[in-house]
Amino acid sequence: NAGVMQNPRHLVRRRGQEARLRCSPMKGHSHVYWYRQLPEEGLKFMVYLQKENIIDESGMPKERFSAEFPKEGPSILRIQQVVRGDSAAYFCASSPTGTGVISFFGQGTRLTVV
Amino acid sequence: AQTVTQSQPEMSVQEAETVTLSCTYDTSENNYYLFWYKQPPSRQMILVIRQEAYKQQNATENRFSVNFQKAAKSFSLKISDSQLGDTAMYFCAFMIGRGGADGLTFGKGTHLIIQP
Repeated sequence: NAGVMQNPRHLVRRRGQEARLRCSPMKGHSHVYWYRQLPEEGLKFMVYLQKENIIDESGMPKERFSAEFPKEGPSILRIQQVVRGDSAAYFCASSPTGTGVISFFGQGTRLTVV
Repeated sequence: AQTVTQSQPEMSVQEAETVTLSCTYDTSENNYYLFWYKQPPSRQMILVIRQEAYKQQNATENRFSVNFQKAAKSFSLKISDSQLGDTAMYFCAFMIGRGGADGLTFGKGTHLIIQP
């Protein structure tokens, strides 16, 4: 049973381009969480999704950021018109239910905006 | 809003020693979970230990144990017989126990260095 898979591991984008980060949850997990980690900081919650539903996006910036978790395929975190401040590590986590235990994180995608 | 505070940015101990990492939190909720995560240089976030707030007994996982003081809102991590592989960032985290809404709230982390 593969763990939470994120790709790419590293992503370089020029300012103004779009970044697409993918997360495949563990098999049987239907709950996905996205977190952002700035340098020297802990992770900050961004969004919580179930299949085809956004449950809580209170941590998402209002503009340029969007997330989806379709019925088939990975969850996608999309950042449009990236800026230098978007440079961070983005982590995905999954759980079988939404009841508070997040044991499995992906290895993260490090986004660098140049 | 919940806050998590880790007051030790960095700690260094000798191999085989015992080390305690501190964490305090603030919440008005009564039903919640507390976690310690380890992030080694590989950046993988690894769950070390978790505690349900309604449980009085402190959680233990092999060399890792917690001292959970609910009234004081304190949740420290003790690592016994520390090993070189324990070198990592350690994050304390909090989650309200109402179905995953709000996600985890993390502290800023403690960089633990185990010296040979």
